[in-house]
Amino acid sequence: SYELTQPPSVSVSPGQTASITCSGDKLGDKYVCWYQQKPGQSPVLVIYQDKKRPSGIPERFSGSSSGDTATLTISGTQALDEADYYCQAWDSSTAVFGGGTKLTVL
Amino acid sequence: QVQLQESGPGLVKPSETLSLTCTVSGGSIGNYYWNWIRQPPGKGLEWIAYVYYSGSTNYNPSLKSRVTISVDTSKNQLSLKLSSVTAADTAVYYCAREVVTGRKREFDLWGRGTLVTVSS
Repeated sequence: SYELTQPPSVSVSPGQTASITCSGDKLGDKYVCWYQQKPGQSPVLVIYQDKKRPSGIPERFSGSSSGDTATLTISGTQALDEADYYCQAWDSSTAVFGGGTKLTVL
Repeated sequence: QVQLQESGPGLVKPSETLSLTCTVSGGSIGNYYWNWIRQPPGKGLEWIAYVYYSGSTNYNPSLKSRVTISVDTSKNQLSLKLSSVTAADTAVYYCAREVVTGRKREFDLWGRGTLVTVSS
């Protein structure tokens, strides 16, 4: 079965740029979404179709994808960006999520 | 504003069937795919299945033998049944709306989730 791999944790200082990677076989041939989940809350879509931002998502969130890796980038990271982030793609009519990355802003 | 609300028993006994309903309010269930996704405590997200408003379905192969998902357009509801549950099925269960345009698809709206515990 298809797998998406994310680093378990990423740390960033406030105001700096955070990058969270997601790797999978030929991931660049698929469309990738990113979801943000804060403690006790439901996931929220922050990036879809590799690099598009839904309405209401700050411009500091951006996405890219090529080869076997997709990347979520948060520029000028703020304390309120501290959360778990999940990448997701479809493979053979099955939705697959990465294991999640805990972003710590310190 | 469209909202999703999951409902159902919070406690299910091992070997029994878990049954949940998701009610869609503030909008129509039509023209979307509707999904169930779960998250065991402290763990990641796992996709369970989707149902199109027309009734067509697709299941996660790892759960397919135990899952049934359906939609009731007259009530603006979708339902999930998971049979022969074990402690490993303890999770927060989310319903999520999916926008699909060809190969492009994303879960753009999620319910608040409901915790289901499997225990005797």
